[in-house]
Amino acid sequence: GQQVMQIPQYQHVQEGEDFTTYCNSSTTLSNIQWYKQRPGGHPVFLIQLVKSGEVKKQKRLTFQFGEAKKNSSLHITATQTTDVGTYFCAGPRGATNKLIFGTGTLLAVQP
Amino acid sequence: KAGVTQTPRYLIKTRGQQVTLSCSPISGHRSVSWYQQTPGQGLQFLFEYFSETQRNKGNFPGRFSGRQFSNSRSEMNVSTLELGDSALYLCASSLHGDEPLHFGNGTRLTVT
Repeated sequence: GQQVMQIPQYQHVQEGEDFTTYCNSSTTLSNIQWYKQRPGGHPVFLIQLVKSGEVKKQKRLTFQFGEAKKNSSLHITATQTTDVGTYFCAGPRGATNKLIFGTGTLLAVQP
Repeated sequence: KAGVTQTPRYLIKTRGQQVTLSCSPISGHRSVSWYQQTPGQGLQFLFEYFSETQRNKGNFPGRFSGRQFSNSRSEMNVSTLELGDSALYLCASSLHGDEPLHFGNGTRLTVT
């Protein structure tokens, strides 16, 4: 079953509002990756975090890796309609590092 | 560089039949992973192939199998299809398997 949980499952915001999704792993991760999947599309890689406590920014998106490397967050400032989609975190598992995806957060943005 | 190509895009099959899906990775990528995506279960890892060898396997029954060819192209096969196998099957490639994944557009399988 899923070992990487994300909350919330779904978020509906007005355009211009902020949005945050949280990712929690049952075990320590060597790194965490974030992907975005537009409706009807496929997941597209956004960013990878490796270091404990790392924070990275991509324009209006801020990604954070927890100090214990077991959780992560993605924050979007002033959402736009182009931000609509499902955001997945993913982390490597097992000796050969197969990539396991979180449950995803579906973001809906009302203009 | 061409992206990851999956064929076919859509498939409709009947219960009990078998199906083969194809994936051509980005040129030079040697790792190919397969995922099943359903509304209820999200993105579930099926298996990963690297240099023609299955390197990782998820928790799916033996009806799900795959292989990789010397040119890194990969196929997955599902035998004795069940209604619950209806899903979007996504293939993803990377250079060696520990880099971020590049996904194809997927094959949408409907089992009736």
